[in-house]
Amino acid sequence: GAVVSQHPSWVICKSGTSVKIECRSLDFQATTMFWYRQFPKQSLMLMATSNEGSKATYEQGVEKDKFLINHASLTLSTLTVTSAHPEDSSFYICSAGGFGSGKYQETQYFGPGTRLLVL
Amino acid sequence: QKEVEQNSGPLSVPEGAIASLNCTYSDRGSQSFFWYRQYSGKSPELIMFIYSNGDKEDGRFTAQLNKASQYVSLLIRDSQPSDSATYLCAVIFGNEKLTFGTGTRLTIIP
Repeated sequence: GAVVSQHPSWVICKSGTSVKIECRSLDFQATTMFWYRQFPKQSLMLMATSNEGSKATYEQGVEKDKFLINHASLTLSTLTVTSAHPEDSSFYICSAGGFGSGKYQETQYFGPGTRLLVL
Repeated sequence: QKEVEQNSGPLSVPEGAIASLNCTYSDRGSQSFFWYRQYSGKSPELIMFIYSNGDKEDGRFTAQLNKASQYVSLLIRDSQPSDSATYLCAVIFGNEKLTFGTGTRLTIIP
């Protein structure tokens, strides 16, 4: 149980284009999904928290107009990197939580990640 | 600033020995603690979570929590080369988001 998928796993794009990454919870309903970014040899940095049916909450320093998040259903959240630039090249990872009850809602399960390279 | 501290390593352990990974956190009120394993180029996978003081065992893994001293540790018994990875400690402070440590890189030497 608790399987989270991401698509695509790899994307290479030209500077200035937009890239959409999908995150799906396959066997549970996720009331909350999280988007992280990880640069080489660094830890995960939370970018935003998305709740189904409401606007995402962005972390300080993350541009909400550049990183558009949509959480249209309990099993799907999307992250769109708009007008991507080389400095946006990173490993983007989503996680999902919020199933079960009580403290188990806090447990997050990660998708396999999407590696973005902007040329 | 709520923080999670880990020794970045690398920590080298002979195959078959016990690997001990430590983590300290800054907020005494924290209630939820997690250990994730991350292989190079992959996303983190959950190993264990622990909420209560004491030990929690799952196979070769044991998580230990000491809230008074504000540390949580992970023991890996009978270490295998496949255990070589970066281990991330994560803490939820109050009702806030999961905060990760920088991770400890563990290498199991055959």
